[in-house]
Amino acid sequence: EADIYQTPRYLVIGTGKKITLECSQTMGHDKMYWYQQDPGMELHLIHYSYGVNSTEKGDLSSESTVSRIRTEHFPLTLESARPSHTSQYLCASSDTARWDTEAFFGQGTRLTVV
Amino acid sequence: AQRVTQPEKLLSVFKGAPVELKCNYSYSGSPELFWYVQYSRQRLQLLLRHISRESIKGFTADLNKGETSFHLKKPFAQEEDSAMYYCALSGFQGAQKLVFGQGTRLTINP
Repeated sequence: EADIYQTPRYLVIGTGKKITLECSQTMGHDKMYWYQQDPGMELHLIHYSYGVNSTEKGDLSSESTVSRIRTEHFPLTLESARPSHTSQYLCASSDTARWDTEAFFGQGTRLTVV
Repeated sequence: AQRVTQPEKLLSVFKGAPVELKCNYSYSGSPELFWYVQYSRQRLQLLLRHISRESIKGFTADLNKGETSFHLKKPFAQEEDSAMYYCALSGFQGAQKLVFGQGTRLTINP
């Protein structure tokens, strides 16, 4: 079934650890996004990609990095997790070939850094 | 630069009352505007988009380029409308990044 998947759903990790949040979509979409959702539920764009080997930083400065080696895969990495990284991370994708450009969202990863 | 502003973080109305969630945007090009909704424990999902001029679940939104607004309206609120609502903006045919407003939490009281 065409969908967008995020793993893990929940992650509790210690300070200083390296982590990778996975995001994969089976819809063949060219554009992918990472958003950070703060406790007040505000959505901040932290990274986006127009296609393979294309990545851009979003509006909110983030210490995370992303890669887009395959169309379907857009992982987000934190080299050294800190408590300030505790948040909900949402991945999304969209198809610019469609006229309506609807973005589809994953279920999110709730990250807690202790 | 793309910017979306939702001035109300919280909005509470009674069942059967009209609802209006405000959204203003800033964008120099031709905008594409959307309303997304997040129900409790569900994924963020598209509610409606300005380009299709549709009514979904009784909600409508009209793009007013003069006032740079895209307010979401529903004449008679229902309890199941309680959710987090986000206004979002991208460039024509998704040519730009997709940015969201701060979100409005709508609560419908019985």
